[in-house]
Amino acid sequence: NAGVTQTPKFQVLKTGQSMTLQCAQDMNHNSMYWYRQDPGMGLRLIYYSASEGTTDKGEVPNGYNVSRLNKREFSLRLESAAPSQTSVYFCASTTHGNQPQHFGDGTRLSIL
Amino acid sequence: GEDVEQSLFLSVREGDSSVINCTYTDSSSTYLYWYKQEPGAGLQLLTYIFSNMDMKQDQRLTVLLNKKDKHLSLRIADTQTGDSAIYFCAEKDGTASKLTFGTGTRLQVTL
Repeated sequence: NAGVTQTPKFQVLKTGQSMTLQCAQDMNHNSMYWYRQDPGMGLRLIYYSASEGTTDKGEVPNGYNVSRLNKREFSLRLESAAPSQTSVYFCASTTHGNQPQHFGDGTRLSIL
Repeated sequence: GEDVEQSLFLSVREGDSSVINCTYTDSSSTYLYWYKQEPGAGLQLLTYIFSNMDMKQDQRLTVLLNKKDKHLSLRIADTQTGDSAIYFCAEKDGTASKLTFGTGTRLQVTL
């Protein structure tokens, strides 16, 4: 019962370094999402992929890129990390838009 | 754009009922969700309600929806210490494939 798996769980980067956060789901879901969670701000959508082969910007896409590698995997890349990107990042997936989203356990990212 | 608001904190005594409230602005919302987040963990879906429903009950959880006032509530009966967590309300409109989340309500259960 893996569900949505995110790697790594924790990471510390220096300003300017690059990094890719990985997400994989084994539920045969069509749609996948990347959120960031900051204190007092709830979850904000960074990018999403409604189906394999498509990606769209969310509320806070600047500084990030995504790749929907196949139906299972959706990665988030920080090309040049900035301290403002220190956050907890969550990946989620759903079979289609009306169904509830299932979340991974998150990646805690600190940028010094 | 869409906006979802929640109070930040609620404290209740073990055994009492908890009521967590949420208001939203998007009148075209189709589904409304409640998620639970325990420390260091991801979001766990608790329940959800379609906008043509007024109420949904699932064991100790009761969701009430007032579409006229755009108000959603989650009632937890017989609150236990294991219910201590952050509870997020989220809404989805009819056209978008993404959710808008509230800021979360931290529920503290005291003995």
